[in-house]
Amino acid sequence: LAKTTQPISMDSYEGQEVNITCSHNNIATNDYITWYQQFPSQGPRFIIQGYKTKVTNEVASLFIPADRKSSTLSLPRVSLSDTAVYYCLVGDKRYSGGGADGLTFGKGTHLIIQP
Amino acid sequence: EPEVTQTPSHQVTQMGQEVILRCVPISNHLYFYWYRQILGQKVEFLVSFYNNEISEKSEIFDDQFSVERPDGSNFTLKIRSTKLEDSAMYFCASSVGDRGRGLNSPLHFGNGTRLTVT
Repeated sequence: LAKTTQPISMDSYEGQEVNITCSHNNIATNDYITWYQQFPSQGPRFIIQGYKTKVTNEVASLFIPADRKSSTLSLPRVSLSDTAVYYCLVGDKRYSGGGADGLTFGKGTHLIIQP
Repeated sequence: EPEVTQTPSHQVTQMGQEVILRCVPISNHLYFYWYRQILGQKVEFLVSFYNNEISEKSEIFDDQFSVERPDGSNFTLKIRSTKLEDSAMYFCASSVGDRGRGLNSPLHFGNGTRLTVT
């Protein structure tokens, strides 16, 4: 049973802003939301992490509403090299005492950037 | 920037053989993980390791799998008798792990070992 829900794929163009939303209805009170990026034949790479409201770093922003049941990764002015699979990773309150499910990636969003 | 390194990058083995996949996590990290990704499928959690013992494992991590931290730097995954369905990319990861179960600490992944079982 997936703990997160993301669009399977998205398309955009160079220079555009891309927003990828993840639903996580069972997020645990103490858990953070973390996004990863994966290129073919490489390991996932940490992008950004947040708990609530907004977080920004040099590559992305993360928007989290007050109920924390979803989050949106925002990539400003994407380029062809941003074509990758993007995963959001959160805990699950049903396993607040432990459990492997909280460490499982979902299917991710395959983002394709065109010229 | 420190990184997780994995060796070998590609391993080919025959069904029934034992394989050991090796990883050197980032030196000040406390939590270590193995994940796998079958071609075209999602990244699957296998096991997490903390304080010299397994902290969590998934259903995939059955008796054929074992992990070890034989010294202060290496972290290994052993598959005792490989099956065709073990063919996958195996990723090692580590995290600082200063928040509860380690989930809230970002994971740093290596570039994986591609295991091919024939």
